[in-house]
Amino acid sequence: DSGVTQTPKHLITATGQRVTLRCSPRSGDLSVYWYQQSLDQGLQFLIQYYNGEERAKGNILERFSAQQFPDLHSELNLSSLELGDSALYFCASSVEAVSEQYFGPGTRLTVT
Amino acid sequence: GIQVEQSPPDLILQEGANSTLRCNFSDSVNNLQWFHQNPWGQLINLFYIPSGTKQNGRLSATTVATERYSLLYISSSQTTDSGVYFCAVRGGTSYGKLTFGQGTILTVHP
Repeated sequence: DSGVTQTPKHLITATGQRVTLRCSPRSGDLSVYWYQQSLDQGLQFLIQYYNGEERAKGNILERFSAQQFPDLHSELNLSSLELGDSALYFCASSVEAVSEQYFGPGTRLTVT
Repeated sequence: GIQVEQSPPDLILQEGANSTLRCNFSDSVNNLQWFHQNPWGQLINLFYIPSGTKQNGRLSATTVATERYSLLYISSSQTTDSGVYFCAVRGGTSYGKLTFGQGTILTVHP
């Protein structure tokens, strides 16, 4: 158990819908990251927050957005969902903005 | 951006065998991590090793940053070692972003 928690574990929804994935970092970690794992793209970095501020952005679609709240938990919002958004979404956290990252168990999103 | 290549893509072993997994990267890195993704999808930290050598039980890793590669050694493999092994790196200009290789799929037969 890495100490990073993610909810829900599984999510099944229809195309065009919107969902919110939630992440709580390890105690004491200030930085949160979101990654997407799909069969065709592998593991891809989406976005990073550090102490509430966005610090780095990867190949995150405009339909996706994220934020980190004052209590340091983070949410990833996915809207206008498409079949291709089906993937495993991981949250990771680290103490500093550039230190070792620990991954949560992931949320498996299925878009039908 | 930085490129990460892992080899071999697939590896099949009998229990008790040893193996070496390789990770090559295209630029200098400030962070290198090895992960094991188990059959349930969890990513488990194995090593944080931007340079040097570390050992943890039957596993050890070496990163030669100047030559841009890292090796993961698994000795006396067990069926529970099966899964996908990922190398991930953070380049100097990537801030916190980790770039992952495509992974090595390891299958250990009893």
